[in-house]
Amino acid sequence: GAGVSQSPSNKVTEKGKDVELRCDPISGHTALYWYRQSLGQGLEFLIYFQGNSAPDKSGLPSDRFSAERTGGSVSTLTIQRTQQEDSAVYLCASSLGLKGRYEQYFGPGTRLTVT
Amino acid sequence: AQTVTQSQPEMSVQEAETVTLSCTYDTSENNYYLFWYKQPPSRQMILVIRQEAYKQQNATENRFSVNFQKAAKSFSLKISDSQLGDTAMYFCAFAHGSGNTGKLIFGQGTTLQVKP
Repeated sequence: GAGVSQSPSNKVTEKGKDVELRCDPISGHTALYWYRQSLGQGLEFLIYFQGNSAPDKSGLPSDRFSAERTGGSVSTLTIQRTQQEDSAVYLCASSLGLKGRYEQYFGPGTRLTVT
Repeated sequence: AQTVTQSQPEMSVQEAETVTLSCTYDTSENNYYLFWYKQPPSRQMILVIRQEAYKQQNATENRFSVNFQKAAKSFSLKISDSQLGDTAMYFCAFAHGSGNTGKLIFGQGTTLQVKP
């Protein structure tokens, strides 16, 4: 079946502009995660959604970052007033459940460049 | 807070040889999961192998195996018969085993180059 998809693949934006990154999880996966990978760094957790429960936003670096998940499926990560330090690859993952035993399947990521 | 440390930023190995990537972690929990993910230049993260902390037996997946030392909080990955396609960045990751969170805590990664 189809894997996790993300769009756009690459995004170049000017400092101060808003951007939206999209994630389509695997059908039937109730948990959805966003991670950020800065150049040459490991992945940093941003936020997760599980079903209709309140999302865990504990990893969002500032209030310029927000995310939503509509209808328990597609998710959008929005970065307002982008800064150069926001340049990174943003990865989305989905899994059958929220617990650690469930494998997370990753999308190909969106490379964001803020100029 | 849980932390994951990979002390080898870069490694190389000759094709067909064996290589071991190191990972240590810090947690006060007894129930958790450990993972090794592979990220080739395509950026697609792929799960290589996973270990459940309550299982003493080391996990194996074909040419990939782990050496899980729970007391030492060490979780190394051994790649046998290295292939050119194994060239990638490898990440060690930790997930809680209890509670309602599966968020992964990653190490900084090890770039592995397999040389022909």
